Amino acid sequence: KAGVTQTPRYLIKTRGQQVTLSCSPISGHRSVSWYQQTPGQGLQFLFEYFSETQRNKGNFPGRFSGRQFSNSRSEMNVSTLELGDSALYLCASSSQGLSSYNEQFFGPGTRLTVL
Amino acid sequence: TQLLEQSPQFLSIQEGENLTVYCNSSSVFSSLQWYRQEPGEGPVLLVTVVTGGEVKKLKRLTFQFGDARKDSSLHITAAQPGDTGLYLCAGGGSNYKLTFGKGTLLTVNP
Repeated sequence: KAGVTQTPRYLIKTRGQQVTLSCSPISGHRSVSWYQQTPGQGLQFLFEYFSETQRNKGNFPGRFSGRQFSNSRSEMNVSTLELGDSALYLCASSSQGLSSYNEQFFGPGTRLTVL
Repeated sequence: TQLLEQSPQFLSIQEGENLTVYCNSSSVFSSLQWYRQEPGEGPVLLVTVVTGGEVKKLKRLTFQFGDARKDSSLHITAAQPGDTGLYLCAGGGSNYKLTFGKGTLLTVNP
């Protein structure tokens, strides 16, 4: 079974631009979560989608948004980029079945650098 | 807000030594997971514990969930350079969210 894939793996943008990151979950997984990882703050939860609906949201400004498609693929968008948005953005998928215990399977991440 | 505190933050040891890292919270979790992350990659799930007092072993790694389901520990016996990485604990609740600790960065020197 193929793992979680994220594209692109690396991205360089300038302040003020916007960016869209893509995530394809493990086949059959309906939940996709997004995290921002920085050395100082660790893994911070952005949002989670389940069956095309945002089910949970972290404490990030409205510049961060996401969506999920009917095939469970997900995208996240960051508008008006700031230097502080430089981070590793991780996507994780989960089956969210009754016995899943929230186990999440991560992709390799997208390294975003904002200049 | 549920928080998970991991300690130590950094750990550098020699090959063959034993070590324990800790994950503590004031909140009760329905499950506790441990992940290992290598540079430039996403975290990889190592184990899930769900019952208070549960102990799971994965080769040289031993994971324990506290009786009250508020804390967990990871013990590595005879550490090897391949164990080097960032170890993250994550607590699961009833809202399908995972709460992550900031991690313990382990370096095992040959």
